[in-house]
Amino acid sequence: LAKTTQPISMDSYEGQEVNITCSHNNIATNDYITWYQQFPSQGPRFIIQGYKTKVTNEVASLFIPADRKSSTLSLPRVSLSDTAVYYCLVIYNQGGKLIFGQGTELSVKP
Amino acid sequence: GAVVSQHPSRVICKSGTSVKIECRSLDFQATTMFWYRQFPKQSLMLMATSNEGSKATYEQGVEKDKFLINHASLTLSTLTVTSAHPEDSSFYICSARMAIGQETQYFGPGTRLLVL
Repeated sequence: LAKTTQPISMDSYEGQEVNITCSHNNIATNDYITWYQQFPSQGPRFIIQGYKTKVTNEVASLFIPADRKSSTLSLPRVSLSDTAVYYCLVIYNQGGKLIFGQGTELSVKP
Repeated sequence: GAVVSQHPSRVICKSGTSVKIECRSLDFQATTMFWYRQFPKQSLMLMATSNEGSKATYEQGVEKDKFLINHASLTLSTLTVTSAHPEDSSFYICSARMAIGQETQYFGPGTRLLVL
């Protein structure tokens, strides 16, 4: 199973763009990259998923270079409510297992 | 769409009792559901994979007789913590996957278990 590595924590200020990079060096051909957000005492919330290049939705963008060994979650103009733990996961295509790493604890300050 | 519910949201029980947690996919059919456990300040740990109509597959180190999983229908999976002890106190979270080939998983809100 592909292992992911991401920063343990990040600080930002309201209104800034936040980019969280995740490494997944041994990602397999059929694996997808997915990001989740988790607030304390809540289940993770799906943010975005991608396979290659760039994916954008109403809350975030996901940039994946051609070699797919890393990916970057971009949160535009963060607010205090974006303070949470963000998990980068590589979905093992057969079986759908999600193996969570430690995640990145994002702290947005006023 | 893609809403997953859990019941109860929190439970307090005495040591030695059994606790059942329900996980439901409200607006889609889930061929596969997953159960996770999360201790404070730690990441989610996968406990088992539950497929409708078949036995659950447990991760290494998870006792199948301790954590009974039943996936009775395409919208319901249950986790029963048998003879719970204080060390079983944790945050239990389920997730559901729509269908084979759909890799996105949707998580429930979690169940906080406290064993006294």
